[in-house]
Amino acid sequence: QKEVEQNSGPLSVPEGAIASLNCTYSDRGSQSFFWYRQYSGKSPELIMSIYSNGDKEDGRFTAQLNKASQYVSLLIRDSQPSDSATYLCAVISGNQFYFGTGTSLTVIP
Amino acid sequence: GAVVSQHPSWVICKSGTSVKIECRSLDFQATTMFWYRQFPKQSLMLMATSNEGSKATYEQGVEKDKFLINHASLTLSTLTVTSAHPEDSSFYICSASPGASTEAFFGQGTRLTVV
Repeated sequence: QKEVEQNSGPLSVPEGAIASLNCTYSDRGSQSFFWYRQYSGKSPELIMSIYSNGDKEDGRFTAQLNKASQYVSLLIRDSQPSDSATYLCAVISGNQFYFGTGTSLTVIP
Repeated sequence: GAVVSQHPSWVICKSGTSVKIECRSLDFQATTMFWYRQFPKQSLMLMATSNEGSKATYEQGVEKDKFLINHASLTLSTLTVTSAHPEDSSFYICSASPGASTEAFFGQGTRLTVV
């Protein structure tokens, strides 16, 4: 079983809609969770970090963590074409960084 | 956020030659840095974990004699692709974290083309 699992997509949403990206992880003891965005041909950039159960909002982005169910999600409100990218979920487990395979998001104008 | 600088951003080399890629943490110390490889439209693949002052830990299937990693200081790790072949052409990315349970920051990546 992989440490971090994501639906590879592609996920398509119309401009202005809410994009919902999901991620599950296997190590119940994980404490640190991150979402990265990667544009084609570029390296990943950090969007959000979340460490506690519940929601964390930053602008149009909301990260949600549910440790009991072992999932973390990212909501993007008012999606823009510039949000089209691959979104990587990352989890720290045992001092090791584990990345999901990424979900490809396309926002259709 | 913290800054990780990777150099060069792209390189073209001839088959059989070696290429060195540098990864620097500019505003923090990193006892551990990570090296990834990414082929087009594929996910990040961890190649090795670079530890300052000790040998790197390589992932299964990664040839340590081909991909030489040196982590000489708390702010610099290098990856040398030795005797490069066209199949080594890929996007190589490094990352580093300021602490054990904190976010990782990525370098800009190096696009290697072996001709």
